Amino acid sequence: EDQVTQSPEALRLQEGESSSLNCSYTVSGLRGLFWYRQDPGKGPEFLFTLYSAGEEKEKERLKATLTKKESFLHITAPKPEDSATYLCAVQGSARQLTFGSGTQLTVLP
Amino acid sequence: DTEVTQTPKHLVMGMTNKKSLKCEQHMGHRAMYWYKQKAKKPPELMFVYSYEKLSINESVPSRFSPECPNSSLLNLHLHALQPEDSALYLCASSQDTQGAGDTQYFGPGTRLTVL
Repeated sequence: EDQVTQSPEALRLQEGESSSLNCSYTVSGLRGLFWYRQDPGKGPEFLFTLYSAGEEKEKERLKATLTKKESFLHITAPKPEDSATYLCAVQGSARQLTFGSGTQLTVLP
Repeated sequence: DTEVTQTPKHLVMGMTNKKSLKCEQHMGHRAMYWYKQKAKKPPELMFVYSYEKLSINESVPSRFSPECPNSSLLNLHLHALQPEDSALYLCASSQDTQGAGDTQYFGPGTRLTVL
């Protein structure tokens, strides 16, 4: 059974204070690891897909990395508008995504 | 364009009502999904359609009835719901790639309240 664990559950940062979110996973035959951002009451917004260990992707202040056991979402110099819940999900040999419980990020001005 | 649209945005219904949720995508995706999401929880998969055929039903109660009229549209028909069915209902679509990871794009959701 595929499993995803995200840590921390909640993170409060000052504006400009860089940090990382962790996503640990076990999966049978990784096809992809996905990061989403979700604002309250809205649908998840796609951020990144990572396919294999060693891969990295960047978008503005966000950078996602992948190893064989975990993925990190690095946030550099965050702004208040980066406040959201960040979800990690994996897709293994089955079609379904297995989601983690998310990290709720708050960036204070 | 990676847009999935959902209507309505909000829906309030009684336990004896019949209503439908609608989802549309114009990305040429061949897989479409319904998810249910409770507050502070991740999305839970309900149904998957692949090439307009139901391929996965995650043991969802029969009061939820999905329909895929064509490759761009997905409906979720609701009947005799319970208050515990109140949640954010999300639609998603993907290309349905058979090899590498198949990125799913989500709509904004329908906030459903059952009285």
